[in-house]
Amino acid sequence: EAGVAQSPRYKIIEKRQSVAFWCNPISGHATLYWYQQILGQGPKLLIQFQNNGVVDDSQLPKDRFSAERLKGVDSTLKIQPAKLEDSAVYLCASSLGTYNEAFFGQGTRLTVV
Amino acid sequence: GQQLNQSPQSMFIQEGEDVSMNCTSSSIFNTWLWYKQDPGEGPVLLIALYKAGELTSNGRLTAQFGITRKDSFLNISASIPSDVGIYFCAGRSGDSGAGSYQLTFGKGTKLSVIP
Repeated sequence: EAGVAQSPRYKIIEKRQSVAFWCNPISGHATLYWYQQILGQGPKLLIQFQNNGVVDDSQLPKDRFSAERLKGVDSTLKIQPAKLEDSAVYLCASSLGTYNEAFFGQGTRLTVV
Repeated sequence: GQQLNQSPQSMFIQEGEDVSMNCTSSSIFNTWLWYKQDPGEGPVLLIALYKAGELTSNGRLTAQFGITRKDSFLNISASIPSDVGIYFCAGRSGDSGAGSYQLTFGKGTKLSVIP
């Protein structure tokens, strides 16, 4: 069974630039999550989708972050404009449903300079 | 927001030794999870605990869900070099009606095993 796929693996941008991350969840998984993991910290949930609807985006900085999952499968997370403090690993995870355990992708390491 | 206090922050042990780490919170959780994260990888689920007092094993790993639902511990017996990594506890709570079960992670315990 293929795992959660994320791209790119690494990205370096200058502050105030825009960046987008892509995630392809495990086939058949209805729930998709985006987490932010700052160096030395545990992952923090940014947004949770159930199919193509948002279930929880309470910790998403909506002034600069946006995410979509238009067809209920792949998802993109965008940051516009990026700040230095956005430097982190962005992890995508998916699960069969809201009550099932989540499987994580390898993450995208973002460095904002 | 909810916070998890995970300790120790890091530990160095000799191969073959047993390891114990724990997680405490001021909030009640419905589920406790333990993950391991290797460098450059996403977290991998090790053990999931669903009931207060539950004790669950997965090979050399044993974890318990505290009676108060505010703590959990993870033990690793007879450590080996591949146990090296960062171990995260995570607590899950939420509103079943809203369908959101937000997972809160601790800051991790970095384990180093000396051969």
